[in-house]
Amino acid sequence: IAGITQAPTSQILAAGRRMTLRCTQDMRHNAMYWYRQDLGLGLRLIHYSNTAGTTGKGEVPDGYSVSRANTDDFPLTLASAVPSQTSVYFCASSSGTDTQYFGPGTRLTVL
Amino acid sequence: GQNIDQPTEMTATEGAIVQINCTYQTSGFNGLFWYQQHAGEAPTFLSYNVLDGLEEKGRFSSFLSRSKGYSYLLLKELQMKDSASYLCAAMDSNYQLIWGAGTKLIIKP
Repeated sequence: IAGITQAPTSQILAAGRRMTLRCTQDMRHNAMYWYRQDLGLGLRLIHYSNTAGTTGKGEVPDGYSVSRANTDDFPLTLASAVPSQTSVYFCASSSGTDTQYFGPGTRLTVL
Repeated sequence: GQNIDQPTEMTATEGAIVQINCTYQTSGFNGLFWYQQHAGEAPTFLSYNVLDGLEEKGRFSSFLSRSKGYSYLLLKELQMKDSASYLCAAMDSNYQLIWGAGTKLIIKP
């Protein structure tokens, strides 16, 4: 692995289903982030984690949950997907006070 | 509140120079970032300014005025591959990035 990986690349999901987006980094960064990007809007922070074992809410956390069991992994879970969660999801990592580096993204469609 | 403003779209000619402006208002300030994002891809880091002045990096330069809450990204000798969205982001007192909506740059031959 080099950098940040995300899985799946894309997904079509029925409303009401549970879905986990995966994110793994190999840069030993302390901080990790989940953003969603919608047309005409800037990147919006969903949840973040400053170190393993801690998480925090961003600008748009409702309907999403995260966990940070170790340094490398930061999964994002949609407990019961709704159509308004259709978006492109980016995971990012940083040393905490420095540049954020992004994964390739997951394109999610909720029908 | 916290806010980033940048133009929605700009058009420029191959070989020319273009300046993309960004104004910001944040709770505290720990630097200004510019990212490039090609369609369908992830944002990639271009530049970081935390002190006033110009930072030059090849064909790209970025300027910051902290007193005015203002930054610009300058792209010289434009190439077709520079067609992309350019995202401005300010880091607040909690080291969180506040993002603009991005400026779509269209390069014409």
